[in-house]
Amino acid sequence: SQQGEEDPQALSIQEGENATMNCSYKTSINNLQWYRQNSGRGLVHLILIRSNEREKHSGRLRVTLDTSKKSSSLLITASRAADTASYFCATLKAAGNKLTFGGGTRVLVKP
Amino acid sequence: GAVVSQHPSWVICKSGTSVKIECRSLDFQATTMFWYRQFPKQSLMLMATSNEGSKATYEQGVEKDKFLINHASLTLSTLTVTSAHPEDSSFYICSAHRSGVIGNEQFFGPGTRLTVL
Repeated sequence: SQQGEEDPQALSIQEGENATMNCSYKTSINNLQWYRQNSGRGLVHLILIRSNEREKHSGRLRVTLDTSKKSSSLLITASRAADTASYFCATLKAAGNKLTFGGGTRVLVKP
Repeated sequence: GAVVSQHPSWVICKSGTSVKIECRSLDFQATTMFWYRQFPKQSLMLMATSNEGSKATYEQGVEKDKFLINHASLTLSTLTVTSAHPEDSSFYICSAHRSGVIGNEQFFGPGTRLTVL
């Protein structure tokens, strides 16, 4: 079963705008990861944030983690048409090595 | 970075036949690999955990006799869909687990698209 819920399920923005998506989860985690998936392709690992971290940056990506609310957000700044993809959060529980994926957010960046 | 390959990348088969999908870690050893299934416009659902040298652990609702997993070496896991039916058509993705400094890092294969006619 899915642990994570993501919202929105779909997002349509203009190139240059920022895109924000959220992920909520239910159990204690070791870390939370964000992945991108282009249509019909494999997953690309974007960023990992550990449970003791609150914010992380990587290029145009900014991820926050609030363990008290069991939620995370992914912000893509200055979006480009090439950012069009589905974005998934995945949590690694405090014990074990299985990832549990959220439902995903489909992002469309219009040129 | 670590690379995981899958073969084949796509396969079309007739209903009732069996299909084998391979997952290989190319430049590292993976004692644990994971198999996921993804239906169109949905998320990845974990099917099973493949452990080298031992039996796979299946998630609830996944038939172990239908989805046979073999992890005979530290770089290869195979998933065999037995007596495939149209409802088994899906995108199958594997990942390989490598213990690293940041903890429990997994590397994903490019996926295999299965279409059962």
